[in-house]
Amino acid sequence: AQTVTQSQPEMSVQEAETVTLSCTYDTSESDYYLFWYKQPPSRQMILVIRQEAYKQQNATENRFSVNFQKAAKSFSLKISDSQLGDAAMYFCAYRGYNTDKLIFGTGTRLQVFP
Amino acid sequence: DAMVIQNPRYQVTQFGKPVTLSCSQTLNHNVMYWYQQKSSQAPKLLFHYYDKDFNNEADTPDNFQSRRPNTSFCFLDIRSPGLGDAAMYLCATSTRQVLNTEAFFGQGTRLTVV
Repeated sequence: AQTVTQSQPEMSVQEAETVTLSCTYDTSESDYYLFWYKQPPSRQMILVIRQEAYKQQNATENRFSVNFQKAAKSFSLKISDSQLGDAAMYFCAYRGYNTDKLIFGTGTRLQVFP
Repeated sequence: DAMVIQNPRYQVTQFGKPVTLSCSQTLNHNVMYWYQQKSSQAPKLLFHYYDKDFNNEADTPDNFQSRRPNTSFCFLDIRSPGLGDAAMYLCATSTRQVLNTEAFFGQGTRLTVV
């Protein structure tokens, strides 16, 4: 069975600085999708960034980028120029290529200080 | 706007009294998920559908049931809620399209059991 692990329960960053959130996963599949989701307090979960495992190039969405290391089964999220609005729970998630099942890591709470 | 809508946002039910949570979507997605999320924890997948094909997680208690009468609607029935079932329940939708596999979430229903 696939598992997703986030080893940092909490992280903090100063506004305008850069922070990296870690995620590792375990799977025997060769093709899959990885996601980072953001869940602000009392608000709905939204997608931050997506990576297809067959793509070697790391995904980037504005201030958000990933470092995808397939051999190491690592998928970290880098947030550049952090903003107060980035404060939220961040979840790493995995979906196999031939499955609909979407499983989540335990989450990292990110605090952003002015 | 196309979206995933969960009703009600807040639900209070009595211990042992059946309760139904609802989810609707205008995205016309084939896949629908129900997750249980307890405070500061990862969303836990209860079950998911591909169209009417139902997939139950092995560790989902029998107390939890689901119905999907059509593409747009999905219901979560808790037959005899216990205090331990108090949580946020998240509904999400997705597709199997290769470039569009991310899940879209509703705002959740917070269930309180008294």
